[in-house]
Amino acid sequence: DTGVSQDPRHKITKRGQNVTFRCDPISEHNRLYWYRQTLGQGPEFLTYFQNEAQLEKSRLLSDRFSAERPKGSFSTLEIQRTEQGDSAMYLCASSLVGGVSGNTIYFGEGSWLTVV
Amino acid sequence: AQTVTQSQPEMSVQEAETVTLSCTYDTSENNYYLFWYKQPPSRQMILVIRQEAYKQQNATENRFSVNFQKAAKSFSLKISDSQLGDTAMYFCAFARDDKIIFGKGTRLHILP
Repeated sequence: DTGVSQDPRHKITKRGQNVTFRCDPISEHNRLYWYRQTLGQGPEFLTYFQNEAQLEKSRLLSDRFSAERPKGSFSTLEIQRTEQGDSAMYLCASSLVGGVSGNTIYFGEGSWLTVV
Repeated sequence: AQTVTQSQPEMSVQEAETVTLSCTYDTSENNYYLFWYKQPPSRQMILVIRQEAYKQQNATENRFSVNFQKAAKSFSLKISDSQLGDTAMYFCAFARDDKIIFGKGTRLHILP
């Protein structure tokens, strides 16, 4: 396991459809984060998990968004009834809290969503 | 709430020159971490350098070093002997116990 992996890398969907993204964190990392990034902007925090518990959700995460990490390993981010404003790159990251790396988080390559 | 500000949206320097990227942050916390991340065009975000707030010594990683001024809440990144491969977006980030907050980034162009 060499890093955080995300799938799919690119998704084009019609407005109103549902989409789901998957993230596999670095093995043994107990924290998993979801961020959203639009062109020319920094990543914006969406939510994070400590093991299987979702500890915080941003106000950016409307009720159309849901994230899960059922077994404390991989995570899914589902967007229901997509809107054009959902078009962005969705970044997943993971970290090992309490390890020698401290709060350093490692990012995946992102999942690009285009809503047409 | 913590905030991170990068006041330079875009910078360009000649190859081999030294460049400094600015970052300021706002927090009432005493213990935290600061990071610089690099995001090359259409590529993965990678960690450049990190600094623990309780350490007074500035972090260095090869050609990359920081100037951490805790009282001023300033955390600048210096890139020495810049290379074409340093062309990227650079994000300053603040972390406490939970989420990491990013600045809006500085787009750095290294010119041949």
